[in-house]
Amino acid sequence: DAGITQSPRHKVTETGTPVTLRCHQTENHRYMYWYRQDPGHGLRLIHYSYGVKDTDKGEVSDGYSVSRSKTEDFLLTLESATSSQTSVYFCAISVTGTNTGELFFGEGSRLTVL
Amino acid sequence: DQQVKQNSPSLSVQEGRISILNCDYTNSMFDYFLWYKKYPAEGPTFLISISSIKDKNEDGRFTVFLNKSAKHLSLHIVPSQPGDSAVYFCAADRDDKIIFGKGTRLHILP
Repeated sequence: DAGITQSPRHKVTETGTPVTLRCHQTENHRYMYWYRQDPGHGLRLIHYSYGVKDTDKGEVSDGYSVSRSKTEDFLLTLESATSSQTSVYFCAISVTGTNTGELFFGEGSRLTVL
Repeated sequence: DQQVKQNSPSLSVQEGRISILNCDYTNSMFDYFLWYKKYPAEGPTFLISISSIKDKNEDGRFTVFLNKSAKHLSLHIVPSQPGDSAVYFCAADRDDKIIFGKGTRLHILP
């Protein structure tokens, strides 16, 4: 267990409302990632971070923003949720600290947008 | 444009036999290639990786082969066991940006 927790684990919200998902780690790893998993699409990278205040876009970043004001927290925000953002969201951290692609994933946050 | 492709959505293999999962990629600049395994309602877990400068990596029952000229990699599981039934994701890393394929669901038959 790399000390990674996601919250909330489940959320149901309405179209147009803002939503923030939190990823928290306890071991000060530098790299953190947000993915979404959808049937037929696999895992798609939304945003990632390589340090405090250092973030970059992934494959499907439209409609999402992120913030990393502390090493341990990486927040994913949907400013105005849409039904197409109904998904399971996974946070991941790079535990090796090097460019090897090995990630440790959280248990996921299931978001339903009605 | 999909950079990492897994063209087989599912695969069924008899217990004890070899499972071969395939993955193709388009970007020759990837540094590492990885395989992840996922059970329902859990996060993916890292299985095995290979550097772009190698052509084979082995870890117990799992072996990954990389064919750079064909931009193709494969995961071999020998022998296949019931607990191997899961979704397997191929992934590729370049500059810490890690891209996944759509996954292949492996069914191990008794």
